[in-house]
Amino acid sequence: EDQVTQSPEALRLQEGESSSLNCSYTVSGLRGLFWYRQDPGKGPEFLFTLYSAGEEKEKERLKATLTKKESFLHITAPKPEDSATYLCAVLNAGGTSYGKLTFGQGTILTVHP
Amino acid sequence: EAGVTQFPSHSVIEKGQTVTLRCDPISGHDNLYWYRRVMGKEIKFLLHFVKESKQDESGMPNNRFLAERTGGTYSTLKVQPAELEDSGVYFCASSAWTGGNEQYFGPGTRLTVT
Repeated sequence: EDQVTQSPEALRLQEGESSSLNCSYTVSGLRGLFWYRQDPGKGPEFLFTLYSAGEEKEKERLKATLTKKESFLHITAPKPEDSATYLCAVLNAGGTSYGKLTFGQGTILTVHP
Repeated sequence: EAGVTQFPSHSVIEKGQTVTLRCDPISGHDNLYWYRRVMGKEIKFLLHFVKESKQDESGMPNNRFLAERTGGTYSTLKVQPAELEDSGVYFCASSAWTGGNEQYFGPGTRLTVT
């Protein structure tokens, strides 16, 4: 069974203090790894898709990287508006569940001014 | 382009009653998904439609849940009869094609069963 574990559960940063969030995954065959951002009371908002080890994607202050066992979401010089829950999910390449995303529990990021 | 919409945003019902949730996907998206997040747990997959056909319903918890997608457009998820453990946030998502590209989520319906 596919598993996704995110750490830490919660992270508090000062504005401008860079850090990284971790997503460890176990999947028989990875079709894709997805990062989402979720604000309170809203649905997950798509950020990145990574397909193979070594791949990197960037968007503003965020950079996602992927290895064969984990993914990192690096946040450079965060601002208070980056505060949100960050979710990681995997899509399995095998079987008949072509669209089933398996999510981690998320990391709650709080950036203080 | 309008995003995924869901209705209602919040529903409070008593145990034993029936509730129907609706999802309108992004126009042109053939793939529609339902997920659920119960308190303290991660978001979990319920089922996947490709157009009007159920591609995968392996995550449906039991036969009290019925999902439909008539005409391959909007979808409904009916819970009948509702139980206390059905409380949670139900998300709908859609994607343009199957098997790899990003799924876009709606704002969710918060269901409270008392």
